[in-house]
Amino acid sequence: AQTVTQSQPEMSVQEAETVTLSCTYDTSESDYYLFWYKQPPSRQMILVIRQEAYKQQNATENRFSVNFQKAAKSFSLKISDSQLGDAAMYFCAYRSLSGGSNYKLTFGKGTLLTVNP
Amino acid sequence: NAGVTQTPKFQVLKTGQSMTLQCAQDMNHEYMSWYRQDPGMGLRLIHYSVGAGITDQGEVPNGYNVSRSTTEDFPLRLLSAAPSQTSVYFCASSYSPVEEARADTQYFGPGTRLTVL
Repeated sequence: AQTVTQSQPEMSVQEAETVTLSCTYDTSESDYYLFWYKQPPSRQMILVIRQEAYKQQNATENRFSVNFQKAAKSFSLKISDSQLGDAAMYFCAYRSLSGGSNYKLTFGKGTLLTVNP
Repeated sequence: NAGVTQTPKFQVLKTGQSMTLQCAQDMNHEYMSWYRQDPGMGLRLIHYSVGAGITDQGEVPNGYNVSRSTTEDFPLRLLSAAPSQTSVYFCASSYSPVEEARADTQYFGPGTRLTVL
């Protein structure tokens, strides 16, 4: 079974600065997807960015980018020019593409990001 | 376009009571799922459905039932509520569980906070 580990329960960043959230995962599969979801106080789960394992190029969405290291099974999220609205819980998630497991997302326990003005 | 809707937003039950959490989506998505979110645990899959009339168990199915009579609706039933079921419940949907669409995004509803006394 796959596992996703977020080793930073909490992080903080100054407004306009850059912060990196860590995520590692364990899998024996070669093809899969990785996601970062944001959960603000409203509790809504919002997709931030996704990465296909077969792509070597790191995904980027505006101020959000990832550093995907497949061999190291690492998938970190970098937030540039942090804004107050970025404050939220961030979840890393893994999606298998094989067999009967490709229906679910396996989530890490989350990292609570605080943005200081 | 309402996306994924869930009702109620909050619910308090007594031990042994039954209730149904409602989930509906208007995006004609085939795949729907229920997750529960507990502090420090991330999100865990309860049940999922890959289409009308088809459901299956996730990681933590005990104490919950589901059915899928239409594409739009995927209710979650608690048969006899227990304090261990106190949690926040999320419904999610995506167009396809299979990767024809590659990394098909799961869209989450706003969640239902359930307390069982």
